[in-house]
Amino acid sequence: DQQVKQNSPSLSVQEGRISILNCDYTNSMFDYFLWYKKYPAEGPTFLISISSIKDKNEDGRFTVFLNKSAKHLSLHIVPSQPGDSAVYFCAASMAGGGNKLTFGTGTQLKVEL
Amino acid sequence: ETGVTQTPRHLVMGMTNKKSLKCEQHLGHNAMYWYKQSAKKPLELMFVYNFKEQTENNSVPSRFSPECPNSSHLFLHLHTLQPEDSALYLCASSQTHANYEQYFGPGTRLTVT
Repeated sequence: DQQVKQNSPSLSVQEGRISILNCDYTNSMFDYFLWYKKYPAEGPTFLISISSIKDKNEDGRFTVFLNKSAKHLSLHIVPSQPGDSAVYFCAASMAGGGNKLTFGTGTQLKVEL
Repeated sequence: ETGVTQTPRHLVMGMTNKKSLKCEQHLGHNAMYWYKQSAKKPLELMFVYNFKEQTENNSVPSRFSPECPNSSHLFLHLHTLQPEDSALYLCASSQTHANYEQYFGPGTRLTVT
């Protein structure tokens, strides 16, 4: 049973526009969420995170929104750039779960010129 | 060297072979992880080590045998693997406390023939 779901395997966006990547989770015990970006032939790299006590966290062009009641989070990238083309993974952890992360299947973002 | 390194980057082995994957982190972290990524599946946590002690074994078959001689090095010993074990094996490290982002190596692409 997948506890973290990314239902869109791919997304295509024009350069300069907003990219919105979505993630849903089922386990209400999750209290910390992370986004990772992965280029081909490289490992995932940490992008941004959010604690469940917040509903928004912003870092430059990247903003993560958390809706606890809907068990949904999203990553907004504004403006999108060609270098943002990568696979984006959503991950979650829970207090008392040690340092275990549960990942989604990823969304391939393509930013077109 | 900086970050998390993994060797080899690619490995082809027969089902009767014995091989080892190596991971090294230069970040001063005290937790290390092995993940498996199969096609179209989320990253699956295999093992967690905190301060060289194994704290998580996610029901991994015994043909995968981890070893953590110190906080900077992690090995995954492989023997009598099956073709379905072909995947990308990723190593990661972090501080041992929860809610710290994990830093990933580039992975080893394993093919079992």
